[in-house]
Amino acid sequence: DQQVKQNSPSLSVQEGRISILNCDYTNSMFDYFLWYKKYPAEGPTFLISISSIKDKNEDGRFTVFLNKSAKHLSLHIVPSQPGDSAVYFCAASAHNAGNMLTFGGGTRLMVKP
Amino acid sequence: DVKVTQSSRYLVKRTGEKVFLECVQDMDHENMFWYRQDPGLGLRLIYFSYDVKMKEKGDIPEGYSVSREKKERFSLILESASTNQTSMYLCASSLRSAQRGAGYEQYFGPGTRLTVT
Repeated sequence: DQQVKQNSPSLSVQEGRISILNCDYTNSMFDYFLWYKKYPAEGPTFLISISSIKDKNEDGRFTVFLNKSAKHLSLHIVPSQPGDSAVYFCAASAHNAGNMLTFGGGTRLMVKP
Repeated sequence: DVKVTQSSRYLVKRTGEKVFLECVQDMDHENMFWYRQDPGLGLRLIYFSYDVKMKEKGDIPEGYSVSREKKERFSLILESASTNQTSMYLCASSLRSAQRGAGYEQYFGPGTRLTVT
């Protein structure tokens, strides 16, 4: 059973608009969440993270929101750019699980010029 | 800058062959990981290592083994390759964050696209 789910396999957005990528989790022990971006034929690169003691973290065009009661997080990209087109993975970690990450299935974002 | 390198970008092997995938990191990270990535399934953990000569099974260890003789190097071994092991293999490393107050960020290599025919 997948503990981290990204229910939208793909998302298409116009350049300049907001992209919202969603992620749900089931394990209440998760206390740290990350987003990774992956281009074809490259390894994932870390984008932004959030600890469970916060509900928002911002880094430039990227903002991650965490709703602990709903076990839901989202990544907002504003404004979206064609170079943002990639697969985005959310990941979660539990304090008592060492440094292991549990990944979602990924969402392919396409930003159209 | 953290650098994680993998020995091959593309590899084609025959069913039954023994396959070695090598990973090297240059940031003195304690933890190293091997994942496979398949469409719609995200990244699934095969094995990880938190120290030299230490290893732990991940979610899908069957058909794989690992070796960590030096801190910077972590090898994934397919004892007898099968067609269902055709996949993208990703290596990652990270600090042992609990002790250093860092986050849980893992740094990935470029991946090895393995095809077993």
